[in-house]
Amino acid sequence: AIRMTQSPSSFSASTGDRVTITCRASQGISSYLAWYQQKPGKAPKLLIYAASTLQSGVPSRFSGSGSGTDFTLTISCLQSEDFATYYCQQYYSYFFTFGPGTKVDIK
Amino acid sequence: EVQLVESGGGLVQPGGSLRLSCAASGFTFSSYSMNWVRQAPGKGLEWVSYISSSSSTIYYADSVKGRFTISRDNAKNSLYLQMNSLRAEDTAVYYCARDDYGDQGYFDYWGQGTLVTVSS
Repeated sequence: AIRMTQSPSSFSASTGDRVTITCRASQGISSYLAWYQQKPGKAPKLLIYAASTLQSGVPSRFSGSGSGTDFTLTISCLQSEDFATYYCQQYYSYFFTFGPGTKVDIK
Repeated sequence: EVQLVESGGGLVQPGGSLRLSCAASGFTFSSYSMNWVRQAPGKGLEWVSYISSSSSTIYYADSVKGRFTISRDNAKNSLYLQMNSLRAEDTAVYYCARDDYGDQGYFDYWGQGTLVTVSS
């Protein structure tokens, strides 16, 4: 199975900050990577697919990049509603796997 | 509006069985592959199982293979997960999730989840 790792596991940030989360795959997955946002008690929400394509309705302050094994999710100007946990997911292999998550909380 | 509503969760003893359902509406269910994803309390997301739109292709995570069975009824717009030989480590919120159109492999809509607790 393809293993996904994320860094950092958690961090604190302030509204208005530019934040970057990294996701790494244990083998090359081309651009078959998605990012999700999850708030406590809620289902995950798709933000980005194909590594860099923004899902319809997602604010443009979210962006994704990368291919192969290394990927990033960037939030250009953190808003109060962005404090959440973020997960990457590979779909290169049908045995889909998620990263362990990155929790972004308020500084 | 796309809606996915899970049901069937609850408390079950180790070794017991449970059947989860997911009722779909707001889209042509028979055209989409579906998945089950679970999340243990305070933990991350774990993909559990995939079923293609026609049920011709099915996959399971190693952690549930041989114990769980995914199925669907396109006439009833419903997805199911039959869970047997349940273990404490199966305790989680179970989400049904729609695969984006064209069997992409990422999940564009999720249900609200149903909690399964395996405990004596």
